[in-house]
Parts: sequence; C-alpha cells; structure tokens
Amino acid sequence: AQTVTQSQPEMSVQEAETVTLSCTYDTSESDYYLFWYKQPPSRQMILVIRQEAYKQQNATENRFSVNFQKAAKSFSLKISDSQLGDAAMYFCAYYGGATNKLIFGTGTLLAVQP
Amino acid sequence: DTEVTQTPKHLVMGMTNKKSLKCEQHMGHRAMYWYKQKAKKPPELMFVYSYEKLSINESVPSRFSPECPNSSLLNLHLHALQPEDSALYLCASSQDPPRGYTFGSGTRLTVV
Repeated sequence: AQTVTQSQPEMSVQEAETVTLSCTYDTSESDYYLFWYKQPPSRQMILVIRQEAYKQQNATENRFSVNFQKAAKSFSLKISDSQLGDAAMYFCAYYGGATNKLIFGTGTLLAVQP
Repeated sequence: DTEVTQTPKHLVMGMTNKKSLKCEQHMGHRAMYWYKQKAKKPPELMFVYSYEKLSINESVPSRFSPECPNSSLLNLHLHALQPEDSALYLCASSQDPPRGYTFGSGTRLTVV
C-alpha cells in the first residue's frame, strides 16, 4: 500500500529565510503524482505545487520549489524568502492510478517568525 | 468560477438531529469528494463520486449518507451523529485527479 511520511511535525523559519519541508513516500507504481498542499488557520486547503513522477525536472512555483528524488522516493518542499503568510500546516500528498485516491502525509506545521 | 463552495460554514447539531452539508462547484469537474478532518490531522477520505455515481465508500458509518443530485452538487446527509463525529468536513472536486483537487473551505461540525 502507498504511504506518505512527513517526519517533521513542526518547523520554524525566520521571515525572509529559506526552509525545507521533508516528505518521503512508498509505492510500487511507476506513474504517480505528488503534491504539496497548504492549510492556513482558515482551514482552506490550497494546492501549492504539483510534480509528475515521469518528469525529471523539479517543479517550481514562484518562491516554492521541490526536490524530487524518485529513486529515493523523496519529495521535499523548499520555501524561499519566507513570508508571514506562509505560516500554515503543509501536507504532502500522493496520487496513483492503482488506488485512485489522494493519500496525505501527517503534515508539518510551519511557523514564520518576524 | 474556480471555487468549491460549502454551506454552512459552521453547524452545531444534537445527536438526534438530521442535517445536511452542501457542496457546489461550477468548474465542470466530474469527480467530487467528501473528507473528514480532525484538528492537526490530515484529511481522511470518506466518499468519492465519479460522474455522479458513488465509486468509493471508505467504510463510513451509515449515519453519513452522501448524495450527488447532479454534476455540480454534492450533499452529505447527517443523522444520529456521535460527539466523536465533530470535525471539519471538506468537499473537493477534480476534473482529472492528477492535476490536483480543488477544496472548499469546509464545514466545521460540532455534535452535542
């Protein structure tokens, strides 16, 4: 069965600094998709970034980028120039065709210090 | 319109009440989902509707009854809930799941 692991329950970063959130996953599928979702205190789940497993190039979205290591089954999120509005719970998620479900990790709560 | 709208935003209900949660999207998405989320935990999948047909039921108790009247609407009917059912209920939709899901802002349910 597919699993997603986020080993950092909480992280903290200074405003304007860079932080990296870790995510590992386990799967036997070769074709799948990985996501990072942000959930601020408002509880709205917001898609931050998406990566297709068949693409070697790491996805980027403005200040957000990923380091996708397929062989190591690792999918970390880097937030550059952190802003106060980045404070939220971040969930790593996996989607594969075999289960047709979005599987979430346990989340990392990110605090941004002014 | 790129939103998923959920109503109500907050709901308090007694254990003998019957209530419904509503979810609406006008993005043409053909898959819709109900998730349950406890505080500081990831969302847990409850139901999946694909082309208005129930395709996944994650062994959810029968006191939760989903309904998909048309391709834009998804309801969750609640009856005889327990206090442990208190949670944030999230609705989501997707056109093609690998492109990502669009989530609503949720209904915060309290069962008293």
